[in-house]
Amino acid sequence: EVQVLESGGGLVQPGGSLRLSCEASGLTFRNYAMSWVRQAPGKGPEWVSALTDSGGTYYADSVKGRFSISRDDWKNTLYLQMNSLRAEDTALYYCTKGPSSDAFHIWGQGTMVTVSS
Amino acid sequence: QSVLTQPPSVSAAPGQKVTISCSGSSSNIGNNYVSWYQQVPGTAPKLLIYENNKRPSGIPDRFSGSKSGTSATLGITGLQTGDEADYYCVTWHSSHWVFGGGTKLTVL
Repeated sequence: EVQVLESGGGLVQPGGSLRLSCEASGLTFRNYAMSWVRQAPGKGPEWVSALTDSGGTYYADSVKGRFSISRDDWKNTLYLQMNSLRAEDTALYYCTKGPSSDAFHIWGQGTMVTVSS
Repeated sequence: QSVLTQPPSVSAAPGQKVTISCSGSSSNIGNNYVSWYQQVPGTAPKLLIYENNKRPSGIPDRFSGSKSGTSATLGITGLQTGDEADYYCVTWHSSHWVFGGGTKLTVL
């Protein structure tokens, strides 16, 4: 069974940094694209960033230049480095397997990021 | 404001059928696959439909998807109380993946 497990969330002050991790199991990690999707309290999901199996990266306009996605295929782990955090980055951050066929097939339970002074 | 438009809410009685629409443009739905997700409150979204009309293993055939032009539709038959959730469409748009605004399904 394919599973992903996020970690690294927490409370951070505006302007601060945080690194999220996502450990995957049950799949040959290096063969798949992986993404981050976030959901602010009471709002719908918002795609944040994707990293393809070939290393291509994509970012939402709202995080471009501040967030960086990366992966360690030896550790089956996906990362999201978040810098210059803003209050509007407050959200539950989900790690997902995909996109594959333009869909996000597997989702973790999320890790909460709160940006507040 | 999303580039994909969904009705804010739909409702139907148990056992009935409901459809949820997702309207876009030639820049997104018109030239890309659509996927659909179910999110029960307090849980992560779950993939229901990918490539417009395909179901992942484990998703019952009560759920169906279709696409015509710049719109997509999710259909749910034999409604159950457990289907009460928020539903989102997703597609590719200008080098980004975009979510619709979501539709809350109430099973009366």
